[in-house]
Amino acid sequence: GEDVEQSLFLSVREGDSSVINCTYTDSSSTYLYWYKQEPGAGLQLLTYIFSNMDMKQDQRLTVLLNKKDKHLSLRIADTQTGDSAIYFCAESMDNQGGKLIFGQGTELSVKP
Amino acid sequence: GAVVSQHPSRVICKSGTSVKIECRSLDFQATTMFWYRQFPKQSLMLMATSNEGSKATYEQGVEKDKFLINHASLTLSTLTVTSAHPEDSSFYICSARGGGLGTEAFFGQGTRLTVV
Repeated sequence: GEDVEQSLFLSVREGDSSVINCTYTDSSSTYLYWYKQEPGAGLQLLTYIFSNMDMKQDQRLTVLLNKKDKHLSLRIADTQTGDSAIYFCAESMDNQGGKLIFGQGTELSVKP
Repeated sequence: GAVVSQHPSRVICKSGTSVKIECRSLDFQATTMFWYRQFPKQSLMLMATSNEGSKATYEQGVEKDKFLINHASLTLSTLTVTSAHPEDSSFYICSARGGGLGTEAFFGQGTRLTVV
């Protein structure tokens, strides 16, 4: 079945760039997503990328997609302490953004 | 973005009782809603998909008689955990998708259920 894998932890210093990596198995996924979850809260959609794109940039966020390797990454430039959270990548099971398979989540810790 | 509200945000109940969690789309009509469960320090697992006016579709391994889902209107879906047990303690999150809003599903803030 479909599977999404992420590393569990990442620690960076404030001002540095953070790169969170994700691998997925379902090559038919049309959309791939990055969500942010702060403690005890729901999920906030950060960005998504269509499978026919290699890169998408949105302010401090850059998403890179390598379809051949089924590898997705999220780069956060100039990481701030407010970026500390858990980041989930997800692929859509129904290609409509609803039924999502999530990775385990990467806990990003930003140190001043 | 569109707003999805879940209620309650936290609930504690006794074993054997039932708990209802509401998921409301506040400013759009949600043709489809999704219920997820998240264990501590773990990912979200899709439990079921509900479409307004029809029966929910449950994922494999999810007991439909245990987790009753009702999507009676375009703005409200409810998840009832029946005869709750401590192992049902978890974080439950809903998301909603509506026509005309593209491919994004909007998430509620989640409900922390503790069964004692």
